Amino acid sequence: AQSVTQLGSHVSVSEGALVLLRCNYSSSVPPYLFWYVQYPNQGLQLLLKYTTGATLVKGINGFEAEFKKSETSFHLTKPSAHMSDAAEYFCAVSRLNYGGSQGNLIFGKGTKLSVKP
Amino acid sequence: DGGITQSPKYLFRKEGQNVTLSCEQNLNHDAMYWYRQDPGQGLRLIYYSQIVNDFQKGDIAEGYSVSREKKESFPLTVTSAQKNPTAFYLCASSGSISVGATNIQYFGAGTRLSVL
Repeated sequence: AQSVTQLGSHVSVSEGALVLLRCNYSSSVPPYLFWYVQYPNQGLQLLLKYTTGATLVKGINGFEAEFKKSETSFHLTKPSAHMSDAAEYFCAVSRLNYGGSQGNLIFGKGTKLSVKP
Repeated sequence: DGGITQSPKYLFRKEGQNVTLSCEQNLNHDAMYWYRQDPGQGLRLIYYSQIVNDFQKGDIAEGYSVSREKKESFPLTVTSAQKNPTAFYLCASSGSISVGATNIQYFGAGTRLSVL
């Protein structure tokens, strides 16, 4: 069965510091991987995705993630945190063989990022 | 503007009452989804639909029902059988659910349901 684990339900960084949000996945076949961001009382917005090809993926707002097959990881990073980055972040993996198609997503439980001035 | 519209933003349910959450999209997407979000639990799939007049149960379908009579619309009914309905409900859509599709899901702004 596929699964997603996000390490750390809360992460706090200072403004200007490195942001590192961890995501590990379990999948028997090459997965599609996603990071989404959610601001309070809003829906989710796609930050970036990995499907095939280059393992370092760049997204919006200066975020990037690296797919490491050997570690089954897809950690999200940003070199310098900004106050506006405070939000909840979700890692997701495409669900395989669900109803016979590669369609649905399995989400991790989320990591809340706080940014201190 | 293209997007997904959920209404209402806030909804209150009385004991024994069924309530319906609306989800409309103008992205011409084939697939639509309903998720329930509880604090610290991430998103859990309630129902999804790949095409009009077809839908499938997700991981937590009990106490919920859906319909897909039009491509643009995927309403969710929270029935009286759902004993703990207080949550944030998110609707999403994606262009295709076929094998090989990247399946980027686009989300509405959500409906917060509370019990009176």
